[in-house]
Parts: sequence; C-alpha cells; structure tokens
Amino acid sequence: DGGITQSPKYLFRKEGQNVTLSCEQNLNHDAMYWYRQDPGQGLRLIYYSQIVNDFQKGDIAEGYSVSREKKESFPLTVTSAQKNPTAFYLCASSMLAGGPGELFFGEGSRLTVL
Amino acid sequence: AQSVAQPEDQVNVAEGNPLTVKCTYSVSGNPYLFWYVQYPNRGLQFLLKYITGDNLVKGSYGFEAEFNKSQTSFHLKKPSALVSDSALYFCAVRDMEDTGRRALTFGSGTRLQVQP
Repeated sequence: DGGITQSPKYLFRKEGQNVTLSCEQNLNHDAMYWYRQDPGQGLRLIYYSQIVNDFQKGDIAEGYSVSREKKESFPLTVTSAQKNPTAFYLCASSMLAGGPGELFFGEGSRLTVL
Repeated sequence: AQSVAQPEDQVNVAEGNPLTVKCTYSVSGNPYLFWYVQYPNRGLQFLLKYITGDNLVKGSYGFEAEFNKSQTSFHLKKPSALVSDSALYFCAVRDMEDTGRRALTFGSGTRLQVQP
C-alpha cells in the first residue's frame, strides 16, 4: 500500500546526543515536510523539500538538520543544539504539480529527552 | 503571511447531536482550506478541503465544512455526532498565491469530546 513510513515510533535520547528520525514515502510525491507538534500549539514547520538535493528552512529550523538524497526519503536529525527537543514529530508529503497540495502524513515519531 | 485560529480548545457534544468546530483564517490572497483529524499518538488524517466553487464541502465520515469568505471562516460540521468522532481536529490553510513554500499553516487544534 502507498503511504508514508516514519521510524522509530518512540525514541528516548540523553541530553547532548544527536538523533535521526526516518521518513520514507512511496507515493511518488515531490514535496516532503517535517512538522513538530507540541500540546496546545498545533503543528509548526521545521523543514521542507520540493526536489531532491534541495531543502528549505521552515519556521523553527534551529537545532535541526535534514537531507534529501532520494525522492522517497527525507530524514530529520535533531541535534544537541535543539534546546527543547521533546515533542511529537510528523513527516508529510504532497504532490507539487498544480492543485491545493493537501498533505499526507506519517504516523509520527515521539522523541523524549531524558 | 497566513494564519489559522481555532478559538475553542475543546468542544463537548452529546452523541446524536449536531457538532460544529470553528475555524477562522487569514491569507493575503484566496485560500485553500483543509480539515484534518488526529487520534491519540497517530498521524493526521485528511477529512476534507475547499479549493473553489461550492461553499459547502462534503468530506469523509459524514463531515462537512462551510466556507464563508466574508467572515473568513471554515467551520467543520456534522449533523449527528458519534462517540467515535472524539479526537483532535485541525484546520489548515494555504494561500493560493503561494507557489513557493506551499506548506500548510495549522491551527492549534480543537479536542472534540462526544459523550454517550
């Protein structure tokens, strides 16, 4: 079945450690996005990519990094520079060519910093 | 800049009664509008979208939404609520003129609680 796969679903990290969250899609979508979800704040955009080997900062990119080496994959690294990394992270994708560009979401990754 | 406001943190309704979850938006141009639903520890599921045309949009699971340009609103409605509708609901917007970022801006979410 077509969809977006995020892994791991739950992740624990010690302070000072980098961690990478995986996001893979088989929808043949051009664009991919990473959002962060905190209680009562909705979703905030971290990074997005519309084409392979290119990506742009969203609204809260500090302390995060991404890569887009393949169309299907858009991993997110939460670095030790991110001051408050405990959150629920959501990856999404959309078609770019025309249309409103509704997003399709993965099941999310919950990161807890101990 | 684009933004979305969901003025109610929580909406409580009895099963079988109609429900409304409110959303207002702000964009420079014309909007694309969306509703998503989220169950605990899950991703967001698409419910419906407004692109253009009819102001009443029908979506999944019996939900519908009414676009009102003068009030810049896009309220989610359902004629008869089910207990299984209890979840977190997000409204989102994208400016049609945005051909660059093309990312959706989300509201803070409204928790819908349907009592048996």
